[in-house]
Amino acid sequence: DMKVTQMPRYLIKRMGENVLLECGQDMSHETMYWYRQDPGLGLQLIYISYDVDSNSEGDIPKGYRVSRKKREHFSLILDSAKTNQTSVYFCASSYGTVSGNTLYFGEGSRLIVV
Amino acid sequence: GDSVTQTEGPVTLSEGTSLTVNCSYETKQYPTLFWYVQYPGEGPQLLFKVPKANEKGSNRGFEATYNKEATSFHLQKASVQESDSAVYYCALGSYGSSGNKLIFGIGTLLSVKP
Repeated sequence: DMKVTQMPRYLIKRMGENVLLECGQDMSHETMYWYRQDPGLGLQLIYISYDVDSNSEGDIPKGYRVSRKKREHFSLILDSAKTNQTSVYFCASSYGTVSGNTLYFGEGSRLIVV
Repeated sequence: GDSVTQTEGPVTLSEGTSLTVNCSYETKQYPTLFWYVQYPGEGPQLLFKVPKANEKGSNRGFEATYNKEATSFHLQKASVQESDSAVYYCALGSYGSSGNKLIFGIGTLLSVKP
């Protein structure tokens, strides 16, 4: 079954706390992504991972880091969360790195930082 | 850099009426163009994609033509249904120094009233 799974789906954190968002996929896709979605801004790319330990910054990487130790798993880490990181975060995966490939998205993780 | 501009929402229509969501893009490349749809509580999913200029993509009654001369990829549907209520994203497959990625428009929220 082709699926991208995100955990947790919803969390509330205090400013300054660390946040770990986890993503898994069962399609053996090489490439994985983290996006954030905000009203009026659409989907903005935070990080891309091309395979295990092969990660690149996207358009808005500041305040985030990622980890990919297994092909099927990609984590987004916020060290010392800020209120402006309140958002919905989407993980996605795709086969290969060709720009015409389809992205498969998870259902999102809603983070509120208070 | 590459960019996508699309109709700002929200767009509210009655069932049975026609829909057009405008999308224009800027790039120096020859990209694949995409329409993604996001239903409430879900992640975005591919509606369809078109890799070549002057070709048309379609799915679920929606269609769009890749117009390279006008740099447009407008989404159309002749008769919308309540179940079409969702956010629609136009996207461009881009290749840059950090690799391949999708560049999304801001999304257009469509609400269809019965």
